[in-house]
Amino acid sequence: GAVVSQHPSWVICKSGTSVKIECRSLDFQATTMFWYRQFPKQSLMLMATSNEGSKATYEQGVEKDKFLINHASLTLSTLTVTSAHPEDSSFYICSAGGQGGTGELFFGEGSRLTVL
Amino acid sequence: AQSVTQLGSHVSVSEGALVLLRCNYSSSVPPYLFWYVQYPNQGLQLLLKYTSAATLVKGINGFEAEFKKSETSFHLTKPSAHMSDAAEYFCAVSRTGRRALTFGSGTRLQVQP
Repeated sequence: GAVVSQHPSWVICKSGTSVKIECRSLDFQATTMFWYRQFPKQSLMLMATSNEGSKATYEQGVEKDKFLINHASLTLSTLTVTSAHPEDSSFYICSAGGQGGTGELFFGEGSRLTVL
Repeated sequence: AQSVTQLGSHVSVSEGALVLLRCNYSSSVPPYLFWYVQYPNQGLQLLLKYTSAATLVKGINGFEAEFKKSETSFHLTKPSAHMSDAAEYFCAVSRTGRRALTFGSGTRLQVQP
């Protein structure tokens, strides 16, 4: 099946620094990618929709200047957490959808961010 | 807006027993419905999906789900639980015109030996 890879899997950073998380579709072209956030023992909450070659669409309540999303190619989207604070610590998961309308998405392995 | 509700945050069954995880959806249009499984510190794996074809959907690892419009339900079942089925299960619905998913709150399945 289609593979979506995230990097890094784990990252620890100091408060105030920025962290970049990559999401790659390894064997298909992803016109759209989605970024989710998952707090411990909770569900996934959609943060933003990333479209190749255009600006991301952010969900209500998500700070676009805080969570910078770039989808510069059909196989790569990046999420940058700027000036990270402890409350940004979370599990970030990306998903990618290829062309077609069945709604099936492929999920990355997730990236766990811990801000000290 | 579309949403899903998963009844029961924790379900515990004995190995070999029937697994039933409940999901009800709310949608003003025919939805696409999904069940995903998540193991600790991992992403999500698709178990099965309903896309307006057959109402009884068979997935991987012996799981299946039945779409019941009259009950607005999409419950996940497996006849005989294995220890390896212990994980978090999420029901999800896709939005009209988009492929972003809205997830339920999740159900943690425990399998007792």
